Amino acid sequence: NAGVTQTPKFRVLKTGQSMTLLCAQDMNHEYMYWYRQDPGMGLRLIHYSVGEGTTAKGEVPDGYNVSRLKKQNFLLGLESAAPSQTSVYFCASSPGLQFQETQYFGPGTRLLVL
Amino acid sequence: GESVGLHLPTLSVQEGDNSIINCAYSNSASDYFIWYKQESGKGPQFIIDIRSNMDKRQGQRVTVLLNKTVKHLSLQIAATQPGDSAVYFCAENIADSWGKLQFGAGTQVVVTP
Repeated sequence: NAGVTQTPKFRVLKTGQSMTLLCAQDMNHEYMYWYRQDPGMGLRLIHYSVGEGTTAKGEVPDGYNVSRLKKQNFLLGLESAAPSQTSVYFCASSPGLQFQETQYFGPGTRLLVL
Repeated sequence: GESVGLHLPTLSVQEGDNSIINCAYSNSASDYFIWYKQESGKGPQFIIDIRSNMDKRQGQRVTVLLNKTVKHLSLQIAATQPGDSAVYFCAENIADSWGKLQFGAGTQVVVTP
């Protein structure tokens, strides 16, 4: 049971390039989330999904898109990367059985946009 | 908007002493709170949670206290060890939401020998 995994671990992009971050979970969780973490700030929610085929915007969705084609995978896309998107990205999942649940996090993807 | 915050950005603790990490929240509708630990280069790891109908909850070497009157949450770590060095986040879940968590900025705990 690997929990939540993220690919890649680290990436460098040039401004304007695109990329996709992959998150996978093997816990059969319904809910999945993408966060970004910047120095001195708490985790900020980018997008989330409450089930296969559904996505919704979080606190800071601009410049990102997501897809949840399979229950176990949640993809985060950057269509045209900007230096402001330099950050550490974390994926998380939760069972989706009740409102009060903890979230389980992946190890993170460190992204540098030049 | 309302948010979760921490009183101290950095806490230095001597090995073997007890640590207390504080968190203030301003949303009175929050009904579920979680403490996470994040080691350098890793993702946040669940430590302990508490629901708003409780004042105290204990785990292995950790205790979370909730004071709803003053909207304050604390994490106590007993007999702090070098492996406890990390950033600690509190997070709150607002009542009747779908499970969305709001995170504080974190407190860096440094354990000294």
